[in-house]
Amino acid sequence: NAGVTQTPKFQVLKTGQSMTLQCAQDMNHNSMYWYRQDPGMGLRLIYYSASEGTTDKGEVPNGYNVSRLNKREFSLRLESAAPSQTSVYFCASSSLTGAPGQYFGPGTRLTVL
Amino acid sequence: AQKITQTQPGMFVQEKEAVTLDCTYDTSDPSYGLFWYKQPSSGEMIFLIYQGSYDQQNATEGRYSLNFQKARKSANLVISASQLGDSAMYFCAMREYAGGTSYGKLTFGQGTILTVHP
Repeated sequence: NAGVTQTPKFQVLKTGQSMTLQCAQDMNHNSMYWYRQDPGMGLRLIYYSASEGTTDKGEVPNGYNVSRLNKREFSLRLESAAPSQTSVYFCASSSLTGAPGQYFGPGTRLTVL
Repeated sequence: AQKITQTQPGMFVQEKEAVTLDCTYDTSDPSYGLFWYKQPSSGEMIFLIYQGSYDQQNATEGRYSLNFQKARKSANLVISASQLGDSAMYFCAMREYAGGTSYGKLTFGQGTILTVHP
C-alpha cells in the first residue's frame, strides 16, 4: 500500500517547455487534488477532481491543465512553463465518505529557469 | 479576508514541555472541518488531527490535541511533551461543506515553524 505517489521528485525546465506531473493513489479515494507550495506560504489549490471524470479549478489554475485518467491517476500539465511556476507541487487524495483527511504525496520540486 | 490565520511565524519550545500553536479561521458556513498537518524538513505533509464543527469534544490524537473554541473561531494545536522530532512546519487548514459538498477542498494557513530545543 504505497498511498499517494508522485513522479518525478525533481525537475528543472526552461521557460516555455512543457511537462506533465504524474500522481497515483491506491487508497480507492474518489477525490484528488493538486496544490502548489511557495516559500513561506501554505498550500494553494490549483485543480481538483471530485470524482472520476470531473475536474474543477481551484484558487490558482492559470497556466495549468489536468486530466483525471481514471480513479487512481490525476495528472497536472504545464503547457508553457514560466519562472513563476517554480514551486513544490503536491498531489493529494481523499474519500468522500469515511476519514475526513487528505493524504498527500511526497511532492515534486520544480524549477523553471 | 484570510480564511485561515496563523499568527506565529516561528515558535520555540524546550524538549518535554507543551506548546500551543495558534490558528483562527473565518467562515459563515455552519458545517466545516479543521485540520492540522505537519511538514518536516523532508517536505512531506503528515495529517495530524481533525475537528468537525459539530463535534462536542476537542479532538485528541496521542500527544496532539486540538483546543477548539467555536465562538472565538479558533482551533489551536497543543503538543504535549515535545520531542526533538516535533521540529517542523505546522499548517492549519479548513474544509467548508458549503451546502453539503465541498469535495474536500482545503484552505491552508501560512504555517508556523516549531523548533524544539534539547
